[in-house]
Amino acid sequence: GNSVTQMEGPVTLSEEAFLTINCTYTATGYPSLFWYVQYPGEGLQLLLKATKADDKGSNKGFEATYRKETTSFHLEKGSVQVSDSAVYFCALLNNAGNMLTFGGGTRLMVKP
Amino acid sequence: NAGVTQTPKFRVLKTGQSMTLLCAQDMNHEYMYWYRQDPGMGLRLIHYSVGEGTTAKGEVPDGYNVSRLKKQNFLLGLESAAPSQTSVYFCASSYSYRDNQPQHFGDGTRLSIL
Repeated sequence: GNSVTQMEGPVTLSEEAFLTINCTYTATGYPSLFWYVQYPGEGLQLLLKATKADDKGSNKGFEATYRKETTSFHLEKGSVQVSDSAVYFCALLNNAGNMLTFGGGTRLMVKP
Repeated sequence: NAGVTQTPKFRVLKTGQSMTLLCAQDMNHEYMYWYRQDPGMGLRLIHYSVGEGTTAKGEVPDGYNVSRLKKQNFLLGLESAAPSQTSVYFCASSYSYRDNQPQHFGDGTRLSIL
């Protein structure tokens, strides 16, 4: 079956530091890939997505590139802010389009 | 625009009790989903629906039932609650899988089974 593996957290950074959260996946066919963000006490919000190999998703300064050769979709941001503190989930959508498979989530803490 | 609304937000049950969680969406979405979120495990799909009157099993369906009598509502039922069902439950909805439409999530229901 499909699976998503994320680096375990928490990840603690100082403001303006560079962020990378690793995500790798196992899937059949050509899944779409997503990053969701969950702020404290809230539901998940879509951060960015990529639907085919070599696509780059971007939003709010975050980026991730769909790398089929390494089955990866790492999340990056050049300069994090305190407001970026949240839990980040990598996910893939199966070919049938009816099931999202999530990674375990990575908590990011940004200190002033 | 309310989006996806879940009720209740919190609930404490005793083992063996039953309850229903309600999810309502006002975006005219066809697809609706119920997930549970447990520490370190991400979200796991319990059941989903691809339209009014339809339901299907997800990854962890045992101990839960669902109904989709109206397009805007998706109910999750626990007939006999067990401590293993202590979790945070999220409902989500989407237009369809075409064009990889994103899922919109509610704010969650925190359920504790004693």
